[in-house]
Amino acid sequence: GAGVSQSPRYKVTKRGQDVALRCDPISGHVSLYWYRQALGQGPEFLTYFNYEAQQDKSGLPNDRFSAERPEGSISTLTIQRTEQRDSAMYRCASSLAGGSETQYFGPGTRLLVL
Amino acid sequence: LAKTTQPISMDSYEGQEVNITCSHNNIATNDYITWYQQFPSQGPRFIIQGYKTKVTNEVASLFIPADRKSSTLSLPRVSLSDTAVYYCLVVPTGAGNMLTFGGGTRLMVKP
Repeated sequence: GAGVSQSPRYKVTKRGQDVALRCDPISGHVSLYWYRQALGQGPEFLTYFNYEAQQDKSGLPNDRFSAERPEGSISTLTIQRTEQRDSAMYRCASSLAGGSETQYFGPGTRLLVL
Repeated sequence: LAKTTQPISMDSYEGQEVNITCSHNNIATNDYITWYQQFPSQGPRFIIQGYKTKVTNEVASLFIPADRKSSTLSLPRVSLSDTAVYYCLVVPTGAGNMLTFGGGTRLMVKP
C-alpha cells in the first residue's frame, strides 16, 4: 500500500507569494498532522485533523498559515504572503486514529522563499 | 508535556551494540515512550514504543526502569545503514497526540 505522499516535493517562490502544500495520507487514516522542520532540528508541530475537523492549530506560527482537510482525506497547508523565514521542510504525517498511534510521515515539501 | 534530554551525538562501529539513553524526569502516568528514526532527506520513522520494563521488536529493544524517568534504546549489531538521527519522545495517551520532537541523537556508524 502507498504511504503518505506530499506534493510538490520542492517549491521555490518569491517573497509575498502564496503557496499551497498538499498531503495525501494513508488511505483510511483518521488523523493527519502537519509539522515544519528546520535544518538540523526535529520536526515542530503545526496543526492536526481528525477526519475533516481541525482539532488543534496551536502550532501555526501566525495567521498567514492555514490548513484544511475538507473531505477528511487530502489536506492542504496554505501559506499566504510568504516570507524568507518560512523556508523549511514541511512534513505531513497520518495515523490510524488519535491516541498513541504510530504516525507515518511523508517525504516532505522543501519550501524555499527567495 | 514531559521534556526529554538525550545526547546530541554518538559514534559507533559496525557490529557493535549501541545504547542511547533518554531522560524524561517529568513523565506523566499516562505517557508512553516512543522512539523515531530519521535518515537524511526522509521523514521520521517509528522504531519502538513502550510503557514500562522491556519491549523488543525486530529492529530494537527499549528498556524502561520502574520509575520511568529514563529509557534506553538498544540497537544490536549496528551497520552503516543505521546512521541516522534518533528521537526520543514522550507521547500522552488520548486525543490530540501531536509529537513533540527534541533535537535527537545523531548516530554515526563507522566501518
